[in-house]
Amino acid sequence: AQTVTQSQPEMSVQEAETVTLSCTYDTSESDYYLFWYKQPPSRQMILVIRQEAYKQQNATENRFSVNFQKAAKSFSLKISDSQLGDAAMYFCAYRSARGQGAQKLVFGQGTRLTINP
Amino acid sequence: KAGVTQTPRYLIKTRGQQVTLSCSPISGHRSVSWYQQTPGQGLQFLFEYFSETQRNKGNFPGRFSGRQFSNSRSEMNVSTLELGDSALYLCASRSWAGTEAFFGQGTRLTVV
Repeated sequence: AQTVTQSQPEMSVQEAETVTLSCTYDTSESDYYLFWYKQPPSRQMILVIRQEAYKQQNATENRFSVNFQKAAKSFSLKISDSQLGDAAMYFCAYRSARGQGAQKLVFGQGTRLTINP
Repeated sequence: KAGVTQTPRYLIKTRGQQVTLSCSPISGHRSVSWYQQTPGQGLQFLFEYFSETQRNKGNFPGRFSGRQFSNSRSEMNVSTLELGDSALYLCASRSWAGTEAFFGQGTRLTVV
């Protein structure tokens, strides 16, 4: 079974600075997807960024980028120019590309990010 | 395009009762999955439905069940509620060929 580990329960950063959230995962599969979701106090899970395992290029979405190291099974999220609205719980998630595992997300325990003004 | 809608947003139930939660997916999405979120266990997969068929089920007791209707709306039911069932229940929908899942705002269930 796949597992996802986020080793940082809490992180804080000054507004306008850069912060990196860590995520490692364990799988024997070669084809899968990785995601970062954000959950603000409103509770709704919002997709931040996704990465297909077959793509070597790291995904980027505006101020958000990932460092995907497939061999090391590492998938970190970098937030540049942090804004107050970035404060939330961040979850790393894994989904298989095929088979029964393709029907579910496996989540890490989350990292609570605080932005200091 | 409307997002994923979950109703109700909040529920308070008594131990031993049963509860039904509803999820309306994004129009055109045929896959609906459910997750339980608690402070202790985090986010755990409950089950997934596609075209009215349950394709996958997580490691939860039989008290947790679900179904999906022909319009892709889904319901989950929890019978004989226990205090430990208090949680945020999240529903997500995905299109047939889509990569990412889109979540609703969740239903906060409190069992007293």
